[in-house]
Amino acid sequence: RKEVEQDPGPFNVPEGATVAFNCTYSNSASQSFFWYRQDCRKEPKLLMSVYSSGNEDGRFTAQLNRASQYISLLIRDSKLSDSATYLCVVNPRSGYSTLTFGKGTMLLVSP
Amino acid sequence: DGGITQSPKYLFRKEGQNVTLSCEQNLNHDAMYWYRQDPGQGLRLIYYSQIVNDFQKGDIAEGYSVSREKKESFPLTVTSAQKNPTAFYLCASSIPGSKETQYFGPGTRLLVL
Repeated sequence: RKEVEQDPGPFNVPEGATVAFNCTYSNSASQSFFWYRQDCRKEPKLLMSVYSSGNEDGRFTAQLNRASQYISLLIRDSKLSDSATYLCVVNPRSGYSTLTFGKGTMLLVSP
Repeated sequence: DGGITQSPKYLFRKEGQNVTLSCEQNLNHDAMYWYRQDPGQGLRLIYYSQIVNDFQKGDIAEGYSVSREKKESFPLTVTSAQKNPTAFYLCASSIPGSKETQYFGPGTRLLVL
């Protein structure tokens, strides 16, 4: 099983749609979880951290299910500017550590 | 403005040549990282450093070398031993107590002539 696995994509959705990304991780001891956004030929940028209780930031909602080792990202009311690749990222240990990145899922929002 | 800078934006390497990628940060972050990204692939860790004068190998360190003589700087050298160096190289940094959130520089694209 890959350490961090994401939907392969791409996801093609119209403006205003709701889209959900899924991610699973293999290390049950993983401590921290993140979603990053990466635009074409640019660096990844932190979108949001993912907390056990779930968290929301405007149109974006992240959920974590530790029992199932599953993370999700929901985007409501998609905008053209949401088109990007979304990276699921897991920190397998506490303290200074290295992150494990999924391959990413590309989202294309069309008019 | 605080941030991470990488230079050059594009770099061309000839066969048998060593090249050095620059990474500088003025965020006062302790830890710095180098990743490589290939098309359709996730980021893979090359080297990381948690403190000045100390660094550790990541998953794909062969053919690469680093130094950490200053807190602000973490240059990466791609040696001639790296047989497939064409990739997008990303530098990142982080601070303790931040759930290990990493912040990335704009990247350097390395191409082999």
